Amino acid sequence: NAGVTQTPKFQVLKTGQSMTLQCAQDMNHEYMSWYRQDPGMGLRLIHYSVGAGITDQGEVPNGYNVSRSTTEDFPLRLLSAAPSQTSVYFCASSYLADSPLHFGNGTRLTVT
Amino acid sequence: DAKTTQPPSMDCAEGRAANLPCNHSTISGNEYVYWYRQIHSQGPQYIIHGLKNNETNEMASLIITEDRKSSTLILPHATLRDTAVYYCIVRVATQGGSEKLVFGKGTKLTVNP
Repeated sequence: NAGVTQTPKFQVLKTGQSMTLQCAQDMNHEYMSWYRQDPGMGLRLIHYSVGAGITDQGEVPNGYNVSRSTTEDFPLRLLSAAPSQTSVYFCASSYLADSPLHFGNGTRLTVT
Repeated sequence: DAKTTQPPSMDCAEGRAANLPCNHSTISGNEYVYWYRQIHSQGPQYIIHGLKNNETNEMASLIITEDRKSSTLILPHATLRDTAVYYCIVRVATQGGSEKLVFGKGTKLTVNP
């Protein structure tokens, strides 16, 4: 059972570079979301989606874009990376928005 | 928005029960209380959730007060592997029916030998 798969596990970017963090789930979950985690800050919601073609902003959406063209995939795009985006990023999914979340193992991103 | 308040840290002796409190005084009548935990740098793991009644599963028990303004997660026999950050979450329903699941800073539980 793959569950929620995030790639890459680690990434180093230079300021201004762009990249996409991948998230895929094989559980046919409708709800998917992205969180970032910084030391002492807990988890903060970036963007979420309640189904294919539908996305919405979370608490800290600035600097990030998302799209949801399929049920399985929910990529997170950084258009112009900044050092403030250095963080650990977690993708999560659930059958419905009010069902327990399943998390991936995270992507550790460093922006220099 | 319903929010939660948890102590930043707690200690527990191995083999004893760990009782983790959570205040959610502004919870609405149709909002559930969820508990997750995060071990080291792994992704958070679902533990249990409830609405009004107390709940128990193979991992833990959840006690919700009658007024629903607070709850307690109970790990009946804590082990060293239960050392983690524990998050108490209340569903935050936004306009239109979509849901923002908002995490706080959680409680760092340390189980000591």
